[in-house]
Amino acid sequence: DAKTTQPNSMESNEEEPVHLPCNHSTISGTDYIHWYRQLPSQGPEYVIHGLTSNVNNRMASLAIAEDRKSSTLILHRATLRDAAVYYCILKNDNQGGKLIFGQGTELSVKP
Amino acid sequence: KAGVTQTPRYLIKTRGQQVTLSCSPISGHRSVSWYQQTPGQGLQFLFEYFSETQRNKGNFPGRFSGRQFSNSRSEMNVSTLELGDSALYLCASGSMGLATRGELFFGEGSRLTVL
Repeated sequence: DAKTTQPNSMESNEEEPVHLPCNHSTISGTDYIHWYRQLPSQGPEYVIHGLTSNVNNRMASLAIAEDRKSSTLILHRATLRDAAVYYCILKNDNQGGKLIFGQGTELSVKP
Repeated sequence: KAGVTQTPRYLIKTRGQQVTLSCSPISGHRSVSWYQQTPGQGLQFLFEYFSETQRNKGNFPGRFSGRQFSNSRSEMNVSTLELGDSALYLCASGSMGLATRGELFFGEGSRLTVL
């Protein structure tokens, strides 16, 4: 299973953009990049996913490097509610599609 | 639309006992997958059920088992509990199987403590 590497923790100020990096140098051509986040005392929550092109949704944007060996989750204006552990996951639908979670990045947001 | 419901939310067992956890997926969803979360190992995939069939399995011993009913509700069972089985057990519901691009919806988990 391909692995991802993320910083253990990051800090942000409220209402500022946040860029959460993820390295996945062993990504295969059929791996999708998924992001989930886990707020305290809750189960993980889907954020966004992509394959090759940058993606936007109401929660965040996903920027994928041209060689796909890294990606960045962008929260455009962090709020206190965005404080969570963010997981970058490679999901290969040809291998059953199971989610292999790494350790994630714990994001703290300061008012 | 009701979310994923897991019961019980908390439970305490002793070594050697067995435990059954329940997961009711979102109405209409046919895929249920289970995960174990511990401080040391993080989130680990246990297995996935789709339309009552196990379609995927993680690297856990045979003491961990599951099943899915015709109404898509799923149960997981852990027999001969060990101290290391203390964890938060999460289930996730999907409208399609894991081998699709669909998002998963997680429950709040069942926190198991083994004494």
